[in-house]
Amino acid sequence: GQSLEQPSEVTAVEGAIVQINCTYQTSGFYGLSWYQQHDGGAPTFLSYNALDGLEETGRFSSFLSRSDSYGYLLLQELQMKDSASYFCAVRDSNYQLIWGAGTKLIIKP
Amino acid sequence: DSGVTQTPKHLITATGQRVTLRCSPRSGDLSVYWYQQSLDQGLQFLIQYYNGEERAKGNILERFSAQQFPDLHSELNLSSLELGDSALYFCASSEGLADTDTQYFGPGTRLTVL
Repeated sequence: GQSLEQPSEVTAVEGAIVQINCTYQTSGFYGLSWYQQHDGGAPTFLSYNALDGLEETGRFSSFLSRSDSYGYLLLQELQMKDSASYFCAVRDSNYQLIWGAGTKLIIKP
Repeated sequence: DSGVTQTPKHLITATGQRVTLRCSPRSGDLSVYWYQQSLDQGLQFLIQYYNGEERAKGNILERFSAQQFPDLHSELNLSSLELGDSALYFCASSEGLADTDTQYFGPGTRLTVL
């Protein structure tokens, strides 16, 4: 079957750095996406990795290792507004987006 | 604002009833996706349409159906509703079928089945 594994919850301190991991097992792979969702809100796109390596967008970076079927989202200089759920998603060989269960990021002052 | 609109925002109904959720994609987007999100759960992909045709099917129950109209708006029909169908239903749209296509989500419809 197809699956994406990510931690259910991560806690960090304001101003710190946090890494949210995602491992996947899917039939085919076109890319790994990350989405952010605040409580009660809609998911919003953060990043997309199709090739190995690190992609940086401001305070957020996303990494992919295709050989390890693994990626992570790195959030730096954490702010209280970053408290949200973060989802990884993989586009499989049928172009379907397979979603992880989400990681709830709790930020403490 | 993602540009994707969903109506209604909230819907309260009784078990056994039928409801229709509506979605208008971003201007120019040809793909529409439907997702179900139960309380504190992840996103469950239901179904995708591309330019009026069904493109991919996820864990969609037989009681549920959807369609995409010529003007590209989409409707999700939920029938014989059960308590467990209470959830947030999201619609998302993307330009096409490319693997780099970002999905833009609407604000969701919160369905409560009593």
